[in-house]
Amino acid sequence: QKEVEQNSGPLSVPEGAIASLNCTYSDRGSQSFFWYRQYSGKSPELIMSIYSNGDKEDGRFTAQLNKASQYVSLLIRDSQPSDSATYLCAVIGNFGNEKLTFGTGTRLTIIP
Amino acid sequence: DGGITQSPKYLFRKEGQNVTLSCEQNLNHDAMYWYRQDPGQGLRLIYYSQIVNDFQKGDIAEGYSVSREKKESFPLTVTSAQKNPTAFYLCASSPGQLLTEAFFGQGTRLTVV
Repeated sequence: QKEVEQNSGPLSVPEGAIASLNCTYSDRGSQSFFWYRQYSGKSPELIMSIYSNGDKEDGRFTAQLNKASQYVSLLIRDSQPSDSATYLCAVIGNFGNEKLTFGTGTRLTIIP
Repeated sequence: DGGITQSPKYLFRKEGQNVTLSCEQNLNHDAMYWYRQDPGQGLRLIYYSQIVNDFQKGDIAEGYSVSREKKESFPLTVTSAQKNPTAFYLCASSPGQLLTEAFFGQGTRLTVV
Protein backbone atom coordinates (compact mmCIF):
# COMPACT_ATOMS: atom_id res chain seq x y z
CA GLN A 1 0.00 0.00 0.00
CA LYS A 2 1.35 3.40 -0.96
CA GLU A 3 1.80 5.84 1.90
CA VAL A 4 -0.10 8.61 0.11
CA GLU A 5 -2.53 7.86 -2.70
CA GLN A 6 -4.21 10.14 -5.19
CA ASN A 7 -6.22 9.56 -8.34
CA SER A 8 -3.84 10.52 -11.14
CA GLY A 9 -6.62 11.91 -13.32
CA PRO A 10 -6.80 13.74 -15.57
CA LEU A 11 -9.72 15.52 -13.99
CA SER A 12 -11.59 17.93 -16.25
CA VAL A 13 -13.85 20.60 -14.75
CA PRO A 14 -15.77 23.41 -16.51
CA GLU A 15 -14.72 26.96 -15.74
CA GLY A 16 -16.67 28.33 -12.76
CA ALA A 17 -17.46 24.90 -11.33
CA ILE A 18 -16.07 23.26 -8.17
CA ALA A 19 -13.06 20.98 -8.55
CA SER A 20 -12.72 18.25 -5.93
CA LEU A 21 -9.39 16.51 -5.35
CA ASN A 22 -8.94 13.58 -2.99
CA CYS A 23 -6.10 11.93 -1.12
CA THR A 24 -5.79 9.01 1.30
CA TYR A 25 -2.87 8.13 3.53
CA SER A 26 -1.77 4.96 5.30
CA ASP A 27 -0.09 6.18 8.52
CA ARG A 28 -2.94 6.67 10.98
CA GLY A 29 -0.76 8.79 13.24
CA SER A 30 0.14 11.33 10.55
CA GLN A 31 0.52 14.84 11.88
CA SER A 32 0.33 17.36 9.06
CA PHE A 33 -1.24 17.56 5.63
CA PHE A 34 -0.49 19.81 2.67
CA TRP A 35 -1.68 20.55 -0.83
CA TYR A 36 0.80 21.77 -3.43
CA ARG A 37 0.16 23.01 -6.96
CA GLN A 38 2.70 22.27 -9.67
CA TYR A 39 2.64 23.76 -13.14
CA SER A 40 4.37 21.82 -15.90
CA GLY A 41 8.16 22.15 -15.67
CA LYS A 42 8.00 24.16 -12.45
CA SER A 43 8.55 23.37 -8.79
CA PRO A 44 5.62 22.76 -6.41
CA GLU A 45 4.12 25.69 -4.54
CA LEU A 46 2.25 25.35 -1.28
CA ILE A 47 -1.42 26.34 -1.44
CA MET A 48 -2.95 24.84 1.73
CA SER A 49 -1.93 23.22 4.99
CA ILE A 50 -4.23 21.53 7.51
CA TYR A 51 -3.45 19.93 10.86
CA SER A 52 -6.78 19.15 12.57
CA ASN A 53 -10.05 17.54 11.56
CA GLY A 54 -12.55 19.68 9.73
CA ASP A 55 -12.44 22.32 7.05
CA LYS A 56 -9.97 25.11 6.42
CA GLU A 57 -10.80 27.83 3.91
CA ASP A 58 -8.47 30.23 2.13
CA GLY A 59 -10.03 32.23 -0.66
CA ARG A 60 -11.36 29.87 -3.31
CA PHE A 61 -9.61 26.88 -1.70
CA THR A 62 -10.98 24.64 1.05
CA ALA A 63 -9.01 21.78 2.59
CA GLN A 64 -10.91 19.05 4.42
CA LEU A 65 -9.35 16.54 6.82
CA ASN A 66 -10.90 13.40 8.28
CA LYS A 67 -8.30 11.56 10.36
CA ALA A 68 -10.67 8.70 11.25
CA SER A 69 -11.07 7.90 7.56
CA GLN A 70 -7.44 8.86 6.75
CA TYR A 71 -8.70 11.16 4.06
CA VAL A 72 -7.85 14.70 2.99
CA SER A 73 -9.41 16.65 0.17
CA LEU A 74 -9.09 19.98 -1.63
CA LEU A 75 -12.01 21.89 -3.09
CA ILE A 76 -11.45 24.68 -5.58
CA ARG A 77 -14.48 26.93 -6.04
CA ASP A 78 -15.15 29.06 -9.12
CA SER A 79 -12.43 27.18 -11.04
CA GLN A 80 -10.34 29.27 -13.41
CA PRO A 81 -8.20 28.20 -16.38
CA SER A 82 -5.16 29.27 -14.34
CA ASP A 83 -6.01 26.50 -11.87
CA SER A 84 -5.05 23.93 -14.51
CA ALA A 85 -2.06 22.15 -12.97
CA THR A 86 -1.05 19.02 -11.11
CA TYR A 87 -2.08 19.01 -7.45
CA LEU A 88 0.11 17.11 -5.01
CA CYS A 89 -1.02 15.87 -1.62
CA ALA A 90 1.74 15.63 1.01
CA VAL A 91 1.73 14.15 4.50
CA ILE A 92 4.07 14.20 7.48
CA GLY A 93 3.90 10.91 9.37
CA ASN A 94 3.77 10.06 13.03
CA PHE A 95 6.64 10.68 15.42
CA GLY A 96 9.50 8.48 14.32
CA ASN A 97 8.30 8.67 10.70
CA GLU A 98 8.45 12.41 10.24
CA LYS A 99 9.41 12.55 6.60
CA LEU A 100 7.32 14.57 4.15
CA THR A 101 5.78 12.10 1.71
CA PHE A 102 4.01 13.04 -1.52
CA GLY A 103 1.31 11.38 -3.56
CA THR A 104 1.75 11.02 -7.30
CA GLY A 105 -0.50 14.01 -7.98
CA THR A 106 -3.79 14.65 -9.78
CA ARG A 107 -3.71 16.50 -13.08
CA LEU A 108 -6.54 19.04 -13.22
CA THR A 109 -7.73 20.74 -16.41
CA ILE A 110 -10.22 23.61 -16.28
CA ILE A 111 -12.22 23.82 -19.51
CA PRO A 112 -13.14 27.39 -20.58
CA ASP B 1 15.62 38.27 -1.13
CA GLY B 2 14.89 35.27 1.06
CA GLY B 3 14.45 31.94 -0.57
CA ILE B 4 15.81 28.60 -1.65
CA THR B 5 18.31 28.59 -4.50
CA GLN B 6 19.17 25.52 -6.53
CA SER B 7 21.95 25.52 -9.06
CA PRO B 8 22.45 24.87 -11.83
CA LYS B 9 19.00 24.91 -13.44
CA TYR B 10 20.11 22.46 -16.14
CA LEU B 11 22.93 19.95 -15.85
CA PHE B 12 24.32 17.43 -18.30
CA ARG B 13 26.45 14.55 -17.13
CA LYS B 14 28.32 11.81 -18.89
CA GLU B 15 27.70 8.26 -17.78
CA GLY B 16 30.07 7.19 -15.01
CA GLN B 17 30.60 10.69 -13.63
CA ASN B 18 29.64 12.00 -10.22
CA VAL B 19 27.85 15.34 -10.11
CA THR B 20 26.87 17.62 -7.24
CA LEU B 21 23.67 19.67 -7.13
CA SER B 22 23.65 22.77 -4.96
CA CYS B 23 20.86 23.84 -2.60
CA GLU B 24 21.19 26.98 -0.47
CA GLN B 25 18.57 28.67 1.71
CA ASN B 26 18.67 31.96 3.62
CA LEU B 27 15.38 31.43 5.46
CA ASN B 28 17.03 30.11 8.64
CA HIS B 29 15.12 26.85 8.18
CA ASP B 30 16.15 23.82 10.20
CA ALA B 31 14.95 21.03 7.92
CA MET B 32 15.97 20.42 4.32
CA TYR B 33 14.94 17.77 1.79
CA TRP B 34 15.92 16.37 -1.60
CA TYR B 35 13.30 14.87 -3.93
CA ARG B 36 13.45 13.33 -7.35
CA GLN B 37 10.62 13.67 -9.89
CA ASP B 38 10.36 11.63 -13.07
CA PRO B 39 8.04 12.66 -15.95
CA GLY B 40 4.39 12.29 -15.00
CA GLN B 41 5.32 11.09 -11.52
CA GLY B 42 5.11 12.40 -7.99
CA LEU B 43 8.01 13.37 -5.74
CA ARG B 44 10.17 10.64 -4.23
CA LEU B 45 12.27 11.44 -1.17
CA ILE B 46 16.01 10.89 -1.51
CA TYR B 47 17.44 12.32 1.74
CA TYR B 48 16.33 14.70 4.45
CA SER B 49 18.01 16.56 7.27
CA GLN B 50 16.42 17.91 10.43
CA ILE B 51 19.50 19.63 11.80
CA VAL B 52 23.10 20.45 10.94
CA ASN B 53 25.46 17.45 10.77
CA ASP B 54 22.56 14.99 10.70
CA PHE B 55 20.58 13.47 7.83
CA GLN B 56 18.42 10.42 7.09
CA LYS B 57 17.85 8.29 4.03
CA GLY B 58 14.56 8.64 2.26
CA ASP B 59 12.86 6.08 0.04
CA ILE B 60 15.37 6.09 -2.85
CA ALA B 61 18.77 6.95 -1.33
CA GLU B 62 20.82 4.37 -3.25
CA GLY B 63 23.32 6.03 -5.59
CA TYR B 64 23.06 9.41 -3.84
CA SER B 65 24.96 11.12 -1.03
CA VAL B 66 24.46 14.34 0.95
CA SER B 67 26.12 16.48 3.59
CA ARG B 68 24.79 19.08 6.01
CA GLU B 69 27.82 20.93 7.32
CA LYS B 70 26.06 24.30 7.39
CA LYS B 71 22.45 25.14 8.23
CA GLU B 72 21.93 26.96 4.95
CA SER B 73 23.41 24.34 2.62
CA PHE B 74 22.39 20.78 1.69
CA PRO B 75 24.25 19.60 -1.46
CA LEU B 76 23.29 16.38 -3.21
CA THR B 77 25.83 14.22 -5.04
CA VAL B 78 24.54 11.91 -7.74
CA THR B 79 27.12 9.15 -7.99
CA SER B 80 27.95 6.80 -10.84
CA ALA B 81 26.17 4.08 -8.84
CA GLN B 82 22.81 5.72 -9.59
CA LYS B 83 21.64 3.67 -12.57
CA ASN B 84 19.03 6.05 -13.96
CA PRO B 85 19.87 9.58 -12.82
CA THR B 86 18.05 11.57 -15.50
CA ALA B 87 15.29 13.40 -13.61
CA PHE B 88 14.09 16.69 -12.13
CA TYR B 89 15.66 17.23 -8.70
CA LEU B 90 13.92 19.39 -6.13
CA CYS B 91 15.28 20.77 -2.89
CA ALA B 92 12.98 21.99 -0.14
CA SER B 93 13.27 23.44 3.34
CA SER B 94 10.93 23.92 6.28
CA PRO B 95 11.12 26.15 9.34
CA GLY B 96 10.53 23.71 12.16
CA GLN B 97 11.31 20.19 13.22
CA LEU B 98 9.59 18.73 10.11
CA LEU B 99 6.05 19.45 11.34
CA THR B 100 5.65 22.57 9.23
CA GLU B 101 5.24 23.52 5.60
CA ALA B 102 8.08 22.91 3.16
CA PHE B 103 9.01 25.36 0.42
CA PHE B 104 10.80 24.45 -2.78
CA GLY B 105 13.65 25.76 -4.87
CA GLN B 106 13.22 26.06 -8.64
CA GLY B 107 14.72 22.63 -9.31
CA THR B 108 17.63 21.20 -11.28
CA ARG B 109 17.00 19.17 -14.41
CA LEU B 110 19.74 16.55 -14.75
CA THR B 111 20.29 14.73 -18.02
CA VAL B 112 22.78 11.91 -18.55
CA VAL B 113 24.30 11.97 -22.02
